[in-house]
Amino acid sequence: AQKVTQAQTEISVVEKEDVTLDCVYETRDTTYYLFWYKQPPSGELVFLIRRNSFDEQNEISGRYSWNFQKSTSSFNFTITASQVVDSAVYFCALSEGSSGTYKYIFGTGTRLKVLA
Amino acid sequence: KAGVTQTPRYLIKTRGQQVTLSCSPISGHRSVSWYQQTPGQGLQFLFEYFSETQRNKGNFPGRFSGRQFSNSRSEMNVSTLELGDSALYLCASSLDVARGTDTQYFGPGTRLTVL
Repeated sequence: AQKVTQAQTEISVVEKEDVTLDCVYETRDTTYYLFWYKQPPSGELVFLIRRNSFDEQNEISGRYSWNFQKSTSSFNFTITASQVVDSAVYFCALSEGSSGTYKYIFGTGTRLKVLA
Repeated sequence: KAGVTQTPRYLIKTRGQQVTLSCSPISGHRSVSWYQQTPGQGLQFLFEYFSETQRNKGNFPGRFSGRQFSNSRSEMNVSTLELGDSALYLCASSLDVARGTDTQYFGPGTRLTVL
């Protein structure tokens, strides 16, 4: 079955700490896509990154980095030197087509609170 | 390029009424998906439209319906509102979400409160 699990419901860190948000997925497909979105208090989901199943290279973008490991079906997201503006709910999503057409499956989200 | 727009941003209705929400996708995007977000249930997929046709539907009652126009703008309608329909309704657009490779971009949402 297709599934995305974000086991961490809420994480609190102090500013400048590093924090890793976990995402574990399940799919039978060999071709699939993984995403991370950020939802600040305003409500809009902001796209952060997309990864396809054939590209296991880690990605770094400023203070953000992503670790994709097919062997453990994980796509974890690390924020280095966190800032108060990073406070948001973060969603991991999987797009896969085992049902015949590609659909997005979202995790339940991790609420990150960065304290000043 | 303008992003996804949703109107209205906030709405207050009473039980039994009906409501229509609107979504204008990014120019050139033909796929529009709708999601309901509640604190208890997270993000739940409602339906997806592509070229005026509903291609996918989530597990919601028939009170929830939608449509897409030739310019790709989409509306969703909820009839006979219930208290449990209070939620943030998010619209997402992409070139064609069914291809898998295309990223969905979300609008700011419409926050519906049912009293």
